[in-house]
Amino acid sequence: GAVVSQHPSRVICKSGTSVKIECRSLDFQATTMFWYRQFPKKSLMLMATSNEGSKATYEQGVEKDKFLINHASLTLSTLTVTSAHPEDSSFYICSASSGVEETQYFGPGTRLLVL
Amino acid sequence: QKEVEQNSGPLSVPEGAIASLNCTYSDRGSQSFFWYRQYSGKSPELIMFIYSNGDKEDGRFTAQLNKASQYVSLLIRDSQPSDSATYLCAVINSGGSNYKLTFGKGTLLTVNP
Repeated sequence: GAVVSQHPSRVICKSGTSVKIECRSLDFQATTMFWYRQFPKKSLMLMATSNEGSKATYEQGVEKDKFLINHASLTLSTLTVTSAHPEDSSFYICSASSGVEETQYFGPGTRLLVL
Repeated sequence: QKEVEQNSGPLSVPEGAIASLNCTYSDRGSQSFFWYRQYSGKSPELIMFIYSNGDKEDGRFTAQLNKASQYVSLLIRDSQPSDSATYLCAVINSGGSNYKLTFGKGTLLTVNP
């Protein structure tokens, strides 16, 4: 149990385009989803926390207008990187928590390369 | 600033040995503690969580928690080369909402055949 999927697993895009990443909890209802970013050989960095049906809470320094998060249902959250630039190239990972227990289960991640 | 500290390593052990990974945290009110394993290029994978003082065993893994010392550890018995990965200690701090995790920087473990 507690499986989280992400799509796509890998994306390459041109600078200036927008990219949408989906995060789904497959076998449980995720009241809270988290979005992280990880640069090579660096620690996970929490970008934002989203609760189903409400606005996401962004961490300090994360631009909410650039990283749009939607948590429209108990099994789906999306992260849209708007007007992507090469410095946005990173490994984006979501996690989900049921709210019944505190444990976060991670998706497999999406590797974004902006040319 | 609520912090989680880990020795970055690398920690190198021979196959079959016990690997001991340590973590300290600054928030005395923390109640929930997690160990994740992250292989290179992959996302974190939950190994164990522990809430109460003492030991918790799951197969070859044992988590140990000492809230008085603000210390949590992970022991891996009979280490295998496939255990080679970065191990992340994570804590849910007190007073927060949404079960936000604070991660340590991770300890790189290498198990030598």
